[in-house]
Amino acid sequence: RKEVEQDPGPFNVPEGATVAFNCTYSNSASQSFFWYRQDCRKEPKLLMSVYSSGNEDGRFTAQLNRASQYISLLIRDSKLSDSATYLCAVNIFGADGLTFGKGTHLIIQP
Amino acid sequence: SQTIHQWPATLVQPVGSPLSLECTVEGTSNPNLYWYRQAAGRGLQLLFYSVGIGQISSEVPQNLSASRPQDRQFILSSKKLLLSDSGFYLCAWTSGQGIRNTIYFGEGSWLTVV
Repeated sequence: RKEVEQDPGPFNVPEGATVAFNCTYSNSASQSFFWYRQDCRKEPKLLMSVYSSGNEDGRFTAQLNRASQYISLLIRDSKLSDSATYLCAVNIFGADGLTFGKGTHLIIQP
Repeated sequence: SQTIHQWPATLVQPVGSPLSLECTVEGTSNPNLYWYRQAAGRGLQLLFYSVGIGQISSEVPQNLSASRPQDRQFILSSKKLLLSDSGFYLCAWTSGQGIRNTIYFGEGSWLTVV
């Protein structure tokens, strides 16, 4: 079983729509969670940290469900510039570094 | 503010040739440093991490090695490259202060082994 799993997509979404995707993690000891955005042939950049109470940053909302071991990312009023690959990452207490999913490819269509 | 740079940005190397990628972090002291690799169709794979000068932990056995000669410098090396070493190599850092600390990446180095 993979440690962090994401639906690779692609998700094709019309501009202005709302899109959501999940990321599941296998290790219940996981302590911290993140969403990164990666543009084509670029480095991943932090989008949001995910806190137990959920958090919102403008059009982006991240949620954590510890019982079901997944995190989610919701993008409202999607823009063409939101097209990218979204990586979730998990830090396991006692381990070093982050474990990443393979990413979900999002395409916003005009 | 903290910055991280790595170089070279792209390189094409023949099989069997050596490799050296360098990464430098500025604006912070005693960072945790990481080397990740992202191969085509695969996720980010942690290769090495370092919590201090001369301290290297290897996550994946392979023909690569890492060194940390200075607090803010992290080097990825190979004596003989394989075709399977091709990929996008990313250096990253974190402050190491607790489990919520975020990892930040350098610009990446594209390696093609031919």
